[in-house]
Amino acid sequence: GQQVKQSSPSLTVQEGGISILNCDYENDMFDYFAWYKKYPDNSPTLLISVRSNVDKREDGRLTVFLNKSGKHFSLHITASQPEDTAVYLCAAAENQGGSAKLIFGEGTKLTVSS
Amino acid sequence: EAAVTQSPRSKVAVTGGKVTLSCHQTNNHDYMYWYRQDTGHGLRLIHYSYVADSTEKGDIPDGYKASRPSQENFSLILELASLSQTAVYFCASSDAGANTGQLYFGEGSKLTVL
Repeated sequence: GQQVKQSSPSLTVQEGGISILNCDYENDMFDYFAWYKKYPDNSPTLLISVRSNVDKREDGRLTVFLNKSGKHFSLHITASQPEDTAVYLCAAAENQGGSAKLIFGEGTKLTVSS
Repeated sequence: EAAVTQSPRSKVAVTGGKVTLSCHQTNNHDYMYWYRQDTGHGLRLIHYSYVADSTEKGDIPDGYKASRPSQENFSLILELASLSQTAVYFCASSDAGANTGQLYFGEGSKLTVL
């Protein structure tokens, strides 16, 4: 089954609003959580990541919230702008020393309308 | 800046034919990965490698082989291409395991099997 799941395939937000992207996971062993951004016909790039020992991490307009008991993490984008329009992929990995398996969700297409 | 290059960028293959997708990185990274992207599935891990001359199976390895002849090069081989393998394939590299840092992706290789 899908270990990392993004239940919303798409989201539309007004310019200036807050975009909230959600991700659920199944594996209790995940200890690394990340959000990647992908423009059409481009490669994914890392936006922000957190480890399981923190509940929240901020970086400019981006904030990641981690709820380990609920197996859920989210990305909040404040003051959303048209250039934020892209596909957002959540991802997680286990703590297995040098574990190399980063598992991605299906992606959520964010559209910021002006 | 991290550099991962893939070739070919686009290919049309016939069912039953052999396809080789190549990836070259100049990051001096130990880890390399092959993912495929399909609508509704996000990125799924096919094979990965953390040292030259060794490869590991990812989550969807069936129908694919991988080869890591050197630290810089990682190939994905489809011995008998099938219609279901039509997808965009992304190569990535990282300097440590996927639970420790960023993956750097190539630009993708669009494969169409007819």
